[in-house]
Amino acid sequence: DGGITQSPKYLFRKEGQNVTLSCEQNLNHDAMYWYRQDPGQGLRLIYYSQIVNDFQKGDIAEGYSVSREKKESFPLTVTSAQKNPTAFYLCASRGNPGETQYFGPGTRLLVL
Amino acid sequence: AQSVTQPDIHITVSEGASLELRCNYSYGATPYLFWYVQSPGQGLQLLLKYFSGDTLVQGIKGFEAEFKRSQSSFNLRKPSVHWSDAAEYFCAVGAGWNYGQNFVFGPGTRLSVLP
Repeated sequence: DGGITQSPKYLFRKEGQNVTLSCEQNLNHDAMYWYRQDPGQGLRLIYYSQIVNDFQKGDIAEGYSVSREKKESFPLTVTSAQKNPTAFYLCASRGNPGETQYFGPGTRLLVL
Repeated sequence: AQSVTQPDIHITVSEGASLELRCNYSYGATPYLFWYVQSPGQGLQLLLKYFSGDTLVQGIKGFEAEFKRSQSSFNLRKPSVHWSDAAEYFCAVGAGWNYGQNFVFGPGTRLSVLP
């Protein structure tokens, strides 16, 4: 059963803590994306990776970091430098150029 | 850089009524256009896409959209709305065939359906 999985569904962060959101895909897609969603603002791109061991910053990368050590995995770390991390985080992947993106179910991050 | 506007933040329609959600884009070349739907607390699901060819595209769940280059629009339509269509709808534009990270979402339109 192919698709994109994100875990956990809900994540709580304490002040000064780094947290990591998981994104895994078994679609054999090369490109993977992380978006942040806030009410009334649509989706904003945090990071993008087109191939393994390569990634680029998106529009709002400050306070976030990523890695792409495996084709199927693209974890996102929300660092303590991100002062307003409360949001819904969506991971997506894309196969060949020109194709659409397929989205995971999302992770909601809340600050304690 | 491309941009997308969705003029309507929230629309309410009665079940069985027709629906049109507006999307306008700004991009200098032929855009790649998409409509997604999101139920509360869920990821996004692709409804339909336009790359080239026939400007009227059919999607899932009875939705269709029409690309109008002269108006820079890609409006989403459905002839008869069902209560299960209540959700948030996002228009998106990709800059070119290999859009990479050049992919922009509109702010979304929330659809409410009255019984």
